[in-house]
Amino acid sequence: GESVGLHLPTLSVQEGDNSIINCAYSNSASDYFIWYKQESGKGPQFIIDIRSNMDKRQGQRVTVLLNKTVKHLSLQIAATQPGDSAVYFCAENRANTGNQFYFGTGTSLTVIP
Amino acid sequence: NAGVMQNPRHLVRRRGQEARLRCSPMKGHSHVYWYRQLPEEGLKFMVYLQKENIIDESGMPKERFSAEFPKEGPSILRIQQVVRGDSAAYFCASSPPNRISGANVLTFGAGSRLTVL
Repeated sequence: GESVGLHLPTLSVQEGDNSIINCAYSNSASDYFIWYKQESGKGPQFIIDIRSNMDKRQGQRVTVLLNKTVKHLSLQIAATQPGDSAVYFCAENRANTGNQFYFGTGTSLTVIP
Repeated sequence: NAGVMQNPRHLVRRRGQEARLRCSPMKGHSHVYWYRQLPEEGLKFMVYLQKENIIDESGMPKERFSAEFPKEGPSILRIQQVVRGDSAAYFCASSPPNRISGANVLTFGAGSRLTVL
């Protein structure tokens, strides 16, 4: 079936290290992707997005990489901080489906002080 | 800008009762989306609405669940005759109208947590 999935459900990193969270998707029609961060008891919060005409986009301490050939994207967090501890979701939008997004299961990131 | 407002934040219902969850989108946003999240799981799409119009309800269970977004007032997700399996967090998101260039970012509310006893 078609799905948006994540390779690793949990990830623990030392404070100050870089984090890499991966996401696989299977629908080749997907052309817009968003990474969301969800802290405990809160709603998802936008981190960064990327469209399929790009393969890399950078924000403040975060970088998203998109490999359309293997249908894979990743979120890189530089110098991870305790406040980065959360669940991270990738969400995909499929062309011609309007503004509907499909979410993966999520990766739980724990930053060890 | 108050963001996406959801209420109630927590709702407890007994089996067989009705649950109504409300969502007010961000100012200027005309599209509303409802997602359900079970513990330790991702967000599952339920329904996508504009004012007075359901655009996509492919993720909505066929029975007991309904959603509306009237001309005036918030969007409402209604669950009739709740069962224990309905216990979950229900998130609302909103976005501006679609752009020709592609989809818009969804802005989420803090969620409504439904517990069915």
